[in-house]
Amino acid sequence: AAGVIQSPRHLIKEKRETATLKCYPIPRHDTVYWYQQGPGQDPQFLISFYEKMQSDKGSIPDRFSAQQFSDYHSELNMSSLELGDSALYFCASRVTGEAGELFFGEGSRLTVL
Amino acid sequence: DQQVKQNSPSLSVQEGRISILNCDYTNSMFDYFLWYKKYPAEGPTFLISISSIKDKNEDGRFTVFLNKSAKHLSLHIVPSQPGDSAVYFCAASLIRWWSNYQLIWGAGTKLIIKP
Repeated sequence: AAGVIQSPRHLIKEKRETATLKCYPIPRHDTVYWYQQGPGQDPQFLISFYEKMQSDKGSIPDRFSAQQFSDYHSELNMSSLELGDSALYFCASRVTGEAGELFFGEGSRLTVL
Repeated sequence: DQQVKQNSPSLSVQEGRISILNCDYTNSMFDYFLWYKKYPAEGPTFLISISSIKDKNEDGRFTVFLNKSAKHLSLHIVPSQPGDSAVYFCAASLIRWWSNYQLIWGAGTKLIIKP
């Protein structure tokens, strides 16, 4: 069965550079969530989208932006990268209207040097 | 203010025995509860869930119990296996009209299964 696909799986950037992470949800899923997990920390909710509109916002820095496209894939754009942005970034998707679980991708590991 | 609490950061259980992971919540409006399992450097994997209108849900070796009056749920794993060693997250969902859906996470409990 198709799962949530994230790319790239690993990314290394320098401070003050820009990074873009991509998420392809499971077919038919219309809601996408982004989470950030720093070393030794719990996953922190960043932002979510439903039908290409932002539906909820968590602890996402102003330097970050995200959007969901017409094919429901989502991109997380991170600018002016800081060392503290080094983390695992997870994307998850679900079908609106169905109570139940989020399906997570395997994550994108961002390392800022 | 943590709405979902997992008070045990870690738990060690002998292989073959029962593992019981606990979770407490404060918001009586939560309508769905979920358990996720997570290995290092991997995304969380859904395990089992329970609707707020039920008090028990069973799936193979995993059973989740919900006690609404105590605002408490627990995950039982019987029998525990070495592959169950992971961090287990409790989560609760809240349907809000302005955000469609939000998942509130506990801090996680690291389960270690000893051979």
